[in-house]
Amino acid sequence: DQQVKQNSPSLSVQEGRISILNCDYTNSMFDYFLWYKKYPAEGPTFLISISSIKDKNEDGRFTVFLNKSAKHLSLHIVPSQPGDSAVYFCAASKNTGNQFYFGTGTSLTVIP
Amino acid sequence: EAGVTQSPTHLIKTRGQQATLRCSPISGHTSVYWYQQALGLGLQFLLWYDEGEERNRGNFPPRFSGRQFPNYSSELNVNALELEDSALYLCASSLAHFSGVGDTQYFGPGTRLTVL
Repeated sequence: DQQVKQNSPSLSVQEGRISILNCDYTNSMFDYFLWYKKYPAEGPTFLISISSIKDKNEDGRFTVFLNKSAKHLSLHIVPSQPGDSAVYFCAASKNTGNQFYFGTGTSLTVIP
Repeated sequence: EAGVTQSPTHLIKTRGQQATLRCSPISGHTSVYWYQQALGLGLQFLLWYDEGEERNRGNFPPRFSGRQFPNYSSELNVNALELEDSALYLCASSLAHFSGVGDTQYFGPGTRLTVL
C-alpha cells in the first residue's frame, strides 16, 4: 500500500522557469515531510523538509508547500537550473516508529 | 565530515545464496536504516536499528535480517536469495531516534545487488 504517491514519473522544464513537483499522501498521521534529490549511482540527498505545523518552508531556490487538508505537498524550484536534473523523492513520517515512507520519485529534466 | 559509506558497491549472487551488505553511519549518528529500491519502485523501508537494537522493520520476509554493532555500523543479511531481491539497497543514518521535532536521514550511495 503506497501511502506516499508521486503521480508524475517525469517532468521537463526550461532553464530559468519554475519546476513544481507534487506529492500526495494518504495517512493523516504523517507530521513530517521531506524532499530528497537523487542522482544516478548516488544515494538520495536531503533537500528540504517541513513539519506539519507549517504550510511553507523556503531554502534558497527551493520552497516546499504543505496542504494538510488536501494531504498534498509540493516542491517549487525557481529558477530551475540544469544541475537540478535528478530524481526527486518525497518522504513522510509520523511521530512513532521512525519510518520514512517514500514516493516513487519524479525525474526532473531541466533543459538548457 | 565523512558521509554514510556502504560496501560493496556491487554484489552479484545466485539464487539461494546469502548476501551481506555493510554500512557505516555518519560519525555521531546512532540510528541506521535500510531501504530497498527495486526497479521502478520507490524506496521501501526494510529495517531500523538504534543503539544496537532492531526498532522497526518493514513488510519484508524474515530472510531479510541485520544487526548493528557497538560502533553503530550495521550489516544487512539476505538469505535464500530470490531473483526479485535484485535491487539497490540503501543505508541511511540519523542522529537519534525520532523525537517528534523531525530528524533527517542521510543516505549512503547504496549497494547494487544482482541475483542471477
